[in-house]
Amino acid sequence: SQQGEEDPQALSIQEGENATMNCSYKTSINNLQWYRQNSGRGLVHLILIRSNEREKHSGRLRVTLDTSKKSSSLLITASRAADTASYFCAALLGYSTLTFGKGTMLLVSP
Amino acid sequence: DTGVSQDPRHKITKRGQNVTFRCDPISEHNRLYWYRQTLGQGPEFLTYFQNEAQLEKSRLLSDRFSAERPKGSFSTLEIQRTEQGDSAMYLCASSLSGEVGNTIYFGEGSWLTVV
Repeated sequence: SQQGEEDPQALSIQEGENATMNCSYKTSINNLQWYRQNSGRGLVHLILIRSNEREKHSGRLRVTLDTSKKSSSLLITASRAADTASYFCAALLGYSTLTFGKGTMLLVSP
Repeated sequence: DTGVSQDPRHKITKRGQNVTFRCDPISEHNRLYWYRQTLGQGPEFLTYFQNEAQLEKSRLLSDRFSAERPKGSFSTLEIQRTEQGDSAMYLCASSLSGEVGNTIYFGEGSWLTVV
């Protein structure tokens, strides 16, 4: 069964706008990792946030983690057409197993 | 290229045939993982190795699936007697062990189509 559930399932925005994707999970985690996947390609790691962290930044990305609500969010600021992809959150259970949700499909129009 | 490498990238096979996928992890990584991804779904964990030891294999989908990592470097995933339901992308990933916060890096995947 999949741990993470992303919301929304699909998001369509214009270039320059911000995109926010949310993720919920079911059990205690050690960390949560966000990935991007272009159609038919592998997963590209974006950012990792540990269970004792609340917020992390990387370039135009901002990730938050609320362990009390078992939720995380990914914010992409000033989006570009090249950001068009599917985005997945993955919860690390124990020390080895990442469990993924179904992802959010982001479409950024020029 | 120092990332995770997978071969072949695409494989079309007839039902009932055996297929094998190879994964070369990032060179210093001692952990190696296999995942499967079907259309519209997130990746699903199958198994993982630490060095040459297969530490978790209960998630392998059936006894037709097996994985090896004989020398603790590259790994192979074999599917015997393929079925149409095996059509999917098979993803390999690697990481360092020992820290809870280690990033897990994925390869480009191997697409399998069973006809």
